[in-house]
Amino acid sequence: DTEVTQTPKHLVMGMTNKKSLKCEQHMGHRAMYWYKQKAKKPPELMFVYSYEKLSINESVPSRFSPECPNSSLLNLHLHALQPEDSALYLCASSQDTGTGENTQYFGPGTRLTVL
Amino acid sequence: GQNIDQPTEMTATEGAIVQINCTYQTSGFNGLFWYQQHAGEAPTFLSYNVLDGLEEKGRFSSFLSRSKGYSYLLLKELQMKDSASYLCASASGGSYIPTFGRGTSLIVHP
Repeated sequence: DTEVTQTPKHLVMGMTNKKSLKCEQHMGHRAMYWYKQKAKKPPELMFVYSYEKLSINESVPSRFSPECPNSSLLNLHLHALQPEDSALYLCASSQDTGTGENTQYFGPGTRLTVL
Repeated sequence: GQNIDQPTEMTATEGAIVQINCTYQTSGFNGLFWYQQHAGEAPTFLSYNVLDGLEEKGRFSSFLSRSKGYSYLLLKELQMKDSASYLCASASGGSYIPTFGRGTSLIVHP
Protein backbone atom coordinates (compact mmCIF):
# COMPACT_ATOMS: atom_id res chain seq x y z
CA ASP A 1 0.00 0.00 0.00
CA THR A 2 1.55 3.28 -1.14
CA GLU A 3 -1.34 5.50 -0.14
CA VAL A 4 -1.04 8.93 1.41
CA THR A 5 -4.36 10.52 2.32
CA GLN A 6 -5.13 14.19 2.69
CA THR A 7 -8.15 16.08 3.97
CA PRO A 8 -9.95 18.15 2.98
CA LYS A 9 -9.81 17.87 -0.81
CA HIS A 10 -10.97 21.45 -1.24
CA LEU A 11 -10.87 24.37 1.17
CA VAL A 12 -12.09 27.94 0.78
CA MET A 13 -11.14 30.34 3.54
CA GLY A 14 -11.10 34.03 4.29
CA MET A 15 -8.00 35.93 5.25
CA THR A 16 -9.00 36.01 8.91
CA ASN A 17 -9.83 32.30 9.22
CA LYS A 18 -7.83 29.57 10.90
CA LYS A 19 -7.90 26.16 9.27
CA SER A 20 -5.82 23.00 9.20
CA LEU A 21 -4.80 20.57 6.49
CA LYS A 22 -4.29 16.94 7.45
CA CYS A 23 -2.14 14.19 6.00
CA GLU A 24 -1.80 10.52 6.96
CA GLN A 25 0.33 7.59 5.82
CA HIS A 26 0.60 4.02 7.10
CA MET A 27 3.64 2.87 5.17
CA GLY A 28 5.98 3.18 8.14
CA HIS A 29 7.73 6.10 6.48
CA ARG A 30 9.81 8.30 8.77
CA ALA A 31 9.93 11.38 6.54
CA MET A 32 6.96 13.56 5.68
CA TYR A 33 6.78 16.68 3.54
CA TRP A 34 4.58 19.64 2.69
CA TYR A 35 4.72 21.11 -0.80
CA LYS A 36 2.93 24.05 -2.39
CA GLN A 37 2.13 23.91 -6.09
CA LYS A 38 0.81 26.70 -8.28
CA ALA A 39 -0.73 26.02 -11.69
CA LYS A 40 1.79 24.95 -14.35
CA LYS A 41 4.65 25.10 -11.83
CA PRO A 42 6.58 22.32 -10.10
CA PRO A 43 5.93 21.47 -6.45
CA GLU A 44 7.84 23.79 -4.08
CA LEU A 45 9.13 22.27 -0.88
CA MET A 46 7.84 23.96 2.28
CA PHE A 47 8.66 21.70 5.25
CA VAL A 48 10.31 18.37 5.96
CA TYR A 49 9.80 16.25 9.05
CA SER A 50 12.25 13.47 9.79
CA TYR A 51 11.48 11.09 12.65
CA GLU A 52 8.76 13.51 13.82
CA LYS A 53 11.16 16.43 14.09
CA LEU A 54 11.13 19.45 11.79
CA SER A 55 14.33 19.21 9.78
CA ILE A 56 13.75 21.69 6.95
CA ASN A 57 11.77 24.91 6.78
CA GLU A 58 12.25 26.53 3.39
CA SER A 59 11.80 30.08 4.73
CA VAL A 60 8.04 29.66 4.80
CA PRO A 61 6.03 32.57 6.30
CA SER A 62 4.86 32.00 9.86
CA ARG A 63 1.21 32.05 8.78
CA PHE A 64 1.91 28.41 7.83
CA SER A 65 2.60 26.25 10.89
CA PRO A 66 3.40 22.55 10.50
CA GLU A 67 2.88 19.90 13.14
CA CYS A 68 3.75 16.21 13.30
CA PRO A 69 1.73 14.62 16.14
CA ASN A 70 3.13 11.15 15.42
CA SER A 71 4.98 9.23 12.72
CA SER A 72 1.82 8.70 10.65
CA LEU A 73 0.27 12.16 10.80
CA LEU A 74 1.23 15.56 9.48
CA ASN A 75 -0.79 18.75 9.84
CA LEU A 76 -0.45 22.19 8.34
CA HIS A 77 -2.11 24.95 10.35
CA LEU A 78 -3.15 28.02 8.39
CA HIS A 79 -3.80 31.47 9.81
CA ALA A 80 -4.18 34.92 8.27
CA LEU A 81 -3.41 33.69 4.76
CA GLN A 82 -3.21 35.92 1.70
CA PRO A 83 -4.96 35.39 -1.66
CA GLU A 84 -1.57 34.57 -3.21
CA ASP A 85 -1.40 31.53 -0.92
CA SER A 86 -4.13 29.91 -3.00
CA ALA A 87 -2.59 26.75 -4.45
CA LEU A 88 -2.58 22.96 -4.35
CA TYR A 89 -0.98 21.78 -1.11
CA LEU A 90 0.62 18.38 -1.41
CA CYS A 91 1.73 16.08 1.34
CA ALA A 92 4.30 13.38 0.66
CA SER A 93 6.11 10.71 2.61
CA SER A 94 9.26 8.68 2.08
CA GLN A 95 11.27 6.01 3.86
CA ASP A 96 13.99 8.23 5.28
CA THR A 97 15.62 11.50 4.22
CA GLY A 98 19.10 10.22 4.96
CA THR A 99 19.40 7.15 2.77
CA GLY A 100 19.51 6.04 -0.86
CA GLU A 101 16.32 5.58 -2.83
CA ASN A 102 14.22 8.21 -1.10
CA THR A 103 11.13 7.83 -3.27
CA GLN A 104 8.37 10.21 -2.27
CA TYR A 105 4.73 9.16 -2.41
CA PHE A 106 2.24 11.98 -2.72
CA GLY A 107 -1.25 12.43 -1.39
CA PRO A 108 -4.01 13.76 -3.65
CA GLY A 109 -3.58 17.29 -2.35
CA THR A 110 -5.80 19.98 -0.89
CA ARG A 111 -6.95 22.67 -3.31
CA LEU A 112 -6.89 25.85 -1.21
CA THR A 113 -8.59 29.09 -2.19
CA VAL A 114 -8.07 32.19 -0.03
CA LEU A 115 -10.62 34.94 -0.55
CA GLY B 1 19.60 25.21 -6.65
CA GLN B 2 19.69 21.89 -8.40
CA ASN B 3 19.89 23.42 -11.92
CA ILE B 4 17.40 21.01 -13.43
CA ASP B 5 16.52 21.69 -17.03
CA GLN B 6 13.83 20.01 -19.11
CA PRO B 7 11.73 21.18 -22.06
CA THR B 8 8.55 23.06 -21.24
CA GLU B 9 6.28 21.34 -23.71
CA MET B 10 6.28 18.47 -26.21
CA THR B 11 3.68 17.05 -28.54
CA ALA B 12 3.47 13.56 -30.00
CA THR B 13 1.09 11.30 -31.86
CA GLU B 14 -0.83 8.39 -30.36
CA GLY B 15 1.11 5.16 -30.86
CA ALA B 16 4.44 6.92 -31.31
CA ILE B 17 7.54 7.11 -29.10
CA VAL B 18 8.65 10.24 -27.26
CA GLN B 19 11.81 11.02 -25.30
CA ILE B 20 11.81 13.69 -22.59
CA ASN B 21 15.28 14.90 -21.64
CA CYS B 22 16.50 16.28 -18.35
CA THR B 23 19.86 17.68 -17.24
CA TYR B 24 20.80 18.22 -13.62
CA GLN B 25 23.60 19.23 -11.29
CA THR B 26 26.11 16.39 -10.89
CA SER B 27 27.73 17.55 -7.64
CA GLY B 28 26.77 15.34 -4.71
CA PHE B 29 24.36 13.33 -6.85
CA ASN B 30 22.14 10.84 -5.02
CA GLY B 31 19.51 9.87 -7.56
CA LEU B 32 17.16 10.97 -10.32
CA PHE B 33 13.40 10.54 -10.22
CA TRP B 34 10.66 10.85 -12.82
CA TYR B 35 7.07 11.58 -11.85
CA GLN B 36 3.89 11.86 -13.90
CA GLN B 37 1.31 14.47 -12.96
CA HIS B 38 -2.11 14.84 -14.56
CA ALA B 39 -3.72 18.26 -14.28
CA GLY B 40 -5.11 18.89 -10.80
CA GLU B 41 -3.79 15.60 -9.44
CA ALA B 42 -0.82 14.55 -7.35
CA PRO B 43 2.49 13.47 -8.89
CA THR B 44 2.84 9.70 -9.21
CA PHE B 45 6.21 7.96 -9.10
CA LEU B 46 7.46 6.50 -12.37
CA SER B 47 11.14 5.67 -11.95
CA TYR B 48 14.36 6.08 -9.99
CA ASN B 49 17.88 5.92 -11.41
CA VAL B 50 21.12 6.20 -9.49
CA LEU B 51 23.43 4.06 -11.67
CA ASP B 52 24.23 4.57 -15.35
CA GLY B 53 22.02 2.78 -17.82
CA LEU B 54 18.48 2.10 -18.86
CA GLU B 55 15.69 0.93 -16.55
CA GLU B 56 12.61 -0.43 -18.31
CA LYS B 57 9.13 -0.65 -16.84
CA GLY B 58 6.54 -1.63 -19.40
CA ARG B 59 5.94 1.21 -21.86
CA PHE B 60 8.13 3.58 -19.82
CA SER B 61 11.94 3.51 -19.62
CA SER B 62 14.36 5.86 -17.91
CA PHE B 63 18.03 6.38 -18.73
CA LEU B 64 20.82 7.96 -16.70
CA SER B 65 24.33 9.13 -17.49
CA ARG B 66 26.00 10.29 -14.28
CA SER B 67 29.09 11.69 -15.97
CA LYS B 68 26.98 13.87 -18.25
CA GLY B 69 24.36 14.86 -15.69
CA TYR B 70 21.71 13.68 -18.13
CA SER B 71 18.57 11.57 -17.98
CA TYR B 72 15.69 10.84 -20.27
CA LEU B 73 12.25 9.31 -19.95
CA LEU B 74 11.16 7.24 -22.93
CA LEU B 75 7.48 6.60 -23.50
CA LYS B 76 6.51 3.99 -26.08
CA GLU B 77 3.17 3.18 -27.75
CA LEU B 78 1.79 6.51 -26.60
CA GLN B 79 -1.80 6.63 -25.44
CA MET B 80 -4.06 9.65 -25.02
CA LYS B 81 -3.99 9.13 -21.26
CA ASP B 82 -0.23 9.78 -21.32
CA SER B 83 -0.99 13.47 -21.82
CA ALA B 84 0.34 14.92 -18.57
CA SER B 85 3.22 16.83 -17.05
CA TYR B 86 6.42 14.82 -16.55
CA LEU B 87 8.58 16.00 -13.68
CA CYS B 88 12.28 15.30 -13.48
CA ALA B 89 13.55 15.49 -9.89
CA SER B 90 17.15 15.27 -8.79
CA ALA B 91 18.62 14.56 -5.37
CA SER B 92 21.95 16.37 -5.58
CA GLY B 93 24.23 18.57 -3.54
CA GLY B 94 24.62 15.79 -0.99
CA SER B 95 20.88 15.74 -0.18
CA TYR B 96 18.60 12.74 -0.59
CA ILE B 97 15.57 15.00 -0.93
CA PRO B 98 14.78 15.56 -4.62
CA THR B 99 14.23 18.98 -6.12
CA PHE B 100 11.75 19.14 -8.97
CA GLY B 101 12.32 20.59 -12.40
CA ARG B 102 9.61 22.76 -13.95
CA GLY B 103 8.05 19.77 -15.69
CA THR B 104 7.46 18.92 -19.35
CA SER B 105 3.86 19.15 -20.52
CA LEU B 106 3.29 16.29 -22.98
CA ILE B 107 0.34 16.53 -25.32
CA VAL B 108 -0.61 13.34 -27.15
CA HIS B 109 -2.91 13.85 -30.12
CA PRO B 110 -4.74 11.31 -32.29
